[in-house]
Amino acid sequence: EDKVVQSPLSLVVHEGDTVTLNCSYEVTNFRSLLWYKQEKKAPTFLFMLTSSGIEKKSGRLSSILDKKELFSILNITATQTGDSAVYLCAAAAGNKLTFGGGTRVLVKP
Amino acid sequence: DAGVIQSPRHEVTEMGQEVTLRCKPISGHDYLFWYRQTMMRGLELLIYFNNNVPIDDSGMPEDRFSAKMPNASFSTLKIQPSEPRDSAVYFCASSFKTAQDNEQFFGPGTRLTVL
Repeated sequence: EDKVVQSPLSLVVHEGDTVTLNCSYEVTNFRSLLWYKQEKKAPTFLFMLTSSGIEKKSGRLSSILDKKELFSILNITATQTGDSAVYLCAAAAGNKLTFGGGTRVLVKP
Repeated sequence: DAGVIQSPRHEVTEMGQEVTLRCKPISGHDYLFWYRQTMMRGLELLIYFNNNVPIDDSGMPEDRFSAKMPNASFSTLKIQPSEPRDSAVYFCASSFKTAQDNEQFFGPGTRLTVL
């Protein structure tokens, strides 16, 4: 059975801190790894990673994929209160996304 | 573009009643997905369509659940009869290409409460 596990389950940081979120996967016919941010409503897309070792960056967020060790990390530097959300990773195989349980991040002022 | 549109946004019903959730995907997107999100099980894929044709419904929990896509701009997810354990947030998402090659855009969700 396909499986995606995220850690930690939740964390609390202060503004300006750096956070690192982990995502490991065991998915048959894996092709890509996606990160989404979910605030109160729908998940919104952050990154799609298909190649191992190539970092993707968007502002203070960055992510990298390791296809040998089957994991990905999402880094957020200089955190702001607006970064408070649940961060979901999903492993894609064909047309199916298998989501992890999410990491809830709370950034305190 | 208005994004993926779902209705209703909230639905409260009693056990045994029929519930119909609606979705309008982004124009031009060939793939439509229905997900369910609960605290216990997270975000789960229920069914997806390609060019209005159901491709994989292996995530549909029971025969009480059914989904249709009569045209490229409309899909429904029906639960009949509803049960309290169906209470969840149901998301519709659409994408231009396959999930492994292209991001999915999610609608705002329908929060369903079955009493």
